[in-house]
Amino acid sequence: AQSVAQPEDQVNVAEGNPLTVKCTYSVSGNPYLFWYVQYPNRGLQFLLKYITGDNLVKGSYGFEAEFNKSQTSFHLKKPSALVSDSALYFCAVRDNTDSWGKLQFGAGTQVVVTP
Amino acid sequence: KAGVTQTPRYLIKTRGQQVTLSCSPISGHRSVSWYQQTPGQGLQFLFEYFSETQRNKGNFPGRFSGRQFSNSRSEMNVSTLELGDSALYLCASSFDRFEAFFGQGTRLTVV
Repeated sequence: AQSVAQPEDQVNVAEGNPLTVKCTYSVSGNPYLFWYVQYPNRGLQFLLKYITGDNLVKGSYGFEAEFNKSQTSFHLKKPSALVSDSALYFCAVRDNTDSWGKLQFGAGTQVVVTP
Repeated sequence: KAGVTQTPRYLIKTRGQQVTLSCSPISGHRSVSWYQQTPGQGLQFLFEYFSETQRNKGNFPGRFSGRQFSNSRSEMNVSTLELGDSALYLCASSFDRFEAFFGQGTRLTVV
């Protein structure tokens, strides 16, 4: 069975400071990992993915994530947070043998960036 | 390129009624998946369709059903609505196994 843990319900950061949102996962096979962001009353926007290759993945809007197989983690990072980054962030995982659309999501982490 | 389109955006239904939600995937995407998002349970996978066939199903009662048409558009139906069915229903489409693109969702309120 697949599972995703986002240990922090909320992350508070001042604008201009680095932002980190944590994610750990569990899958039986090789993981495909994703980060999505959700703004109020909106759908999910794709940020980045890890399929294979380099452990550091770069995505949209200056976000990046580091895949760590030994720690089964896929933390999302941004070097300098903006107030507009305030949103709900979801980490998701899929086993590479599972069907394309079946993602297991974490509970989400609310990011609050203060001016 | 148009994104995933879900209609309607908002819906209010009464307990016991049934509802049909629609999803038009990105052109060329043959996989369509549905998710339910609630504050208590988070994002939960409902089912996935690929080329008009249900390929995977989540742990939801039989009141939740779906289908996919030859043009890849998909509908999901919920019969005998309960208050607990109030949620944001999200549809995602995929061209390959590496990405899933989500629509804006349909906000269903059951009263």
